[in-house]
Amino acid sequence: LAKTTQPISMDSYEGQEVNITCSHNNIATNDYITWYQQFPSQGPRFIIQGYKTKVTNEVASLFIPADRKSSTLSLPRVSLSDTAVYYCLVGVPGGSYIPTFGRGTSLIVHP
Amino acid sequence: NAGVTQTPKFQVLKTGQSMTLQCAQDMNHEYMSWYRQDPGMGLRLIHYSVGAGITDQGEVPNGYNVSRSTTEDFPLRLLSAAPSQTSVYFCASSYKAPGQGSSYEQYFGPGTRLTVT
Repeated sequence: LAKTTQPISMDSYEGQEVNITCSHNNIATNDYITWYQQFPSQGPRFIIQGYKTKVTNEVASLFIPADRKSSTLSLPRVSLSDTAVYYCLVGVPGGSYIPTFGRGTSLIVHP
Repeated sequence: NAGVTQTPKFQVLKTGQSMTLQCAQDMNHEYMSWYRQDPGMGLRLIHYSVGAGITDQGEVPNGYNVSRSTTEDFPLRLLSAAPSQTSVYFCASSYKAPGQGSSYEQYFGPGTRLTVT
């Protein structure tokens, strides 16, 4: 599985756009990139998944450059309720693949 | 749908005791897995199952057993509890993508907070 590197923590303020970048230099051709969000005392929740270019849903956008060695999760106009840990995962569905989680990025949104 | 349910929510054990953490899902998902999360850490995979009757070890399987007799249930057994097993345990499930393995969209339960003294 490709190793991922993310910042340990980030701070932001309400109303700002937050971009969290994940590095995955060894990503394989068939690997997908997936992001999860975890609030305190809860299990992680799937946010978004992509393979290349840009993916957008009602919660976030995911930007993936052409070389796919990194990806950026973009949260528009964050609020206090976006304070959470965000995990970047890389891998490919197939066989007995089960996602593995690193330490993630702890995002704190200030008033 | 209730989604993924876990019982109990909290549990305190003495060293050497055994117990079973329950996990059930009502989404007919084929894939189920158990993770543990220690303070300030990410989730580490303990065991997983790709279908009824099929289980395999994850990253940290020692001290834990699993079985999968039905699609719905995936209990985790602690054989002889140790203080190092103090953690929050999460169960998750996911469907099988057409022609592929596990979908990336895993559904997690609320967790069981276990303390071993």
